[in-house]
Amino acid sequence: GNSVTQMEGPVTLSEEAFLTINCTYTATGYPSLFWYVQYPGEGLQLLLKATKADDKGSNKGFEATYRKETTSFHLEKGSVQVSDSAVYFCASWDTGRRALTFGSGTRLQVQP
Amino acid sequence: NAGVTQTPKFRVLKTGQSMTLLCAQDMNHEYMYWYRQDPGMGLRLIHYSVGEGTTAKGEVPDGYNVSRLKKQNFLLGLESAAPSQTSVYFCASRGSGREETQYFGPGTRLLVL
Repeated sequence: GNSVTQMEGPVTLSEEAFLTINCTYTATGYPSLFWYVQYPGEGLQLLLKATKADDKGSNKGFEATYRKETTSFHLEKGSVQVSDSAVYFCASWDTGRRALTFGSGTRLQVQP
Repeated sequence: NAGVTQTPKFRVLKTGQSMTLLCAQDMNHEYMYWYRQDPGMGLRLIHYSVGEGTTAKGEVPDGYNVSRLKKQNFLLGLESAAPSQTSVYFCASRGSGREETQYFGPGTRLLVL
């Protein structure tokens, strides 16, 4: 099956700093890739996705590019806000199971 | 349109007790899932269903059973709860198309003493 590895947290940044959260995957073929966000006390929400190589997903100022050469899908944002504080999960679609495989999550804390 | 709902929100059990978690979705989705979330381990798939009347084992199925008697509902059962099952449980649903989004419920926090 698939596996997803993302950088350990927590990541602590000051407001307006640049954010990168690394994510790499192993899979057969080229699965669709996703970033989900979990705000405190809530379920997961889809942040962005990319369904094929070289696609760029974007939403709310966040971006991630599907790089098949490096099997990566790193999440970036140019200027983070306090409201971006949350846990971010990278995931890949497992065609065999017809389910998402998640990374372990990265907690982001943005300080004013 | 409520999306994915879960009942209950929080529950405390004693070791050996049983309970059922209910998940309901109103989006007519074919696929439904149960995950558990533990600190530092992300979400792990317990069981899933690709249609009414079907279920399959995920990554960590031991100690759990599921049923999908109606398309909109997916039940997760613990027959004899153990402290290792203390976790936050998330249900999710998804349409069957290739580029469908998976939607999550708000979670059920379970504490087994």
